[in-house]
Amino acid sequence: EVHVVESGGVVVKPGGSLRLSCATSGFTFADYGFHWVRQPPGKGLEWVSLISWDGATTDYADSVRGRFTFSRDNSKNYLFLQMHSLRAEDTALYYCAKNRVPYGDGREEAEFWGQGTLVTVSS
Amino acid sequence: DIQMTQSPSSLSASVGDRVTITCRASQGIRNFLAWYQQKPGKVPKLLIYAASTFLSGVPSRFSGSGSGTNFTLTISRLQPEDVATYYCQKYNSVPLSFGGGTKVEIK
Repeated sequence: EVHVVESGGVVVKPGGSLRLSCATSGFTFADYGFHWVRQPPGKGLEWVSLISWDGATTDYADSVRGRFTFSRDNSKNYLFLQMHSLRAEDTALYYCAKNRVPYGDGREEAEFWGQGTLVTVSS
Repeated sequence: DIQMTQSPSSLSASVGDRVTITCRASQGIRNFLAWYQQKPGKVPKLLIYAASTFLSGVPSRFSGSGSGTNFTLTISRLQPEDVATYYCQKYNSVPLSFGGGTKVEIK
């Protein structure tokens, strides 16, 4: 059974940094690309970033480009979202999601989603 | 960037009604469109990909259609368990934008 579990969300001051983690199991991790998608409280979904199955491709929404970095550790089946220069508008529930199909460049639909981890940026 | 516009933003219908949600892309995206369902307090769930292919286990009352810039999600006979917010998402190119969502309620 596929499991995707995010962690690392906390309250952080504006300008601060944070690293989110995503632990996975139940499938061949190294074959799949992933996404981070966020959802501000009471609002809609916003795509944040993708990483390809081999880590060769990453891409970002303009709102986070240059501040966030998506990486993966294929030896531990973990994903990471390093977040810098955090702003109030980054406050959201952050979901890690696994692509439906293996391989590809990361631009695929997200089939399995974790429960999310809440990041609050506030002074 | 390609913008994704959903309509309506909310709707209220009776059990058994046919419900149609529209998603429009500001430029053509071929069939690189997915639909997600998010029930209150729950995680989004992928319903349909490639505009019209539904995942195993998705009730047959759900269907998707369209290509290019205009897409629809149809619930043929609305059920109480379909109360949710539905999102479209394009994935032909970055950014993989979502539509603003359509909240479906029972009248």
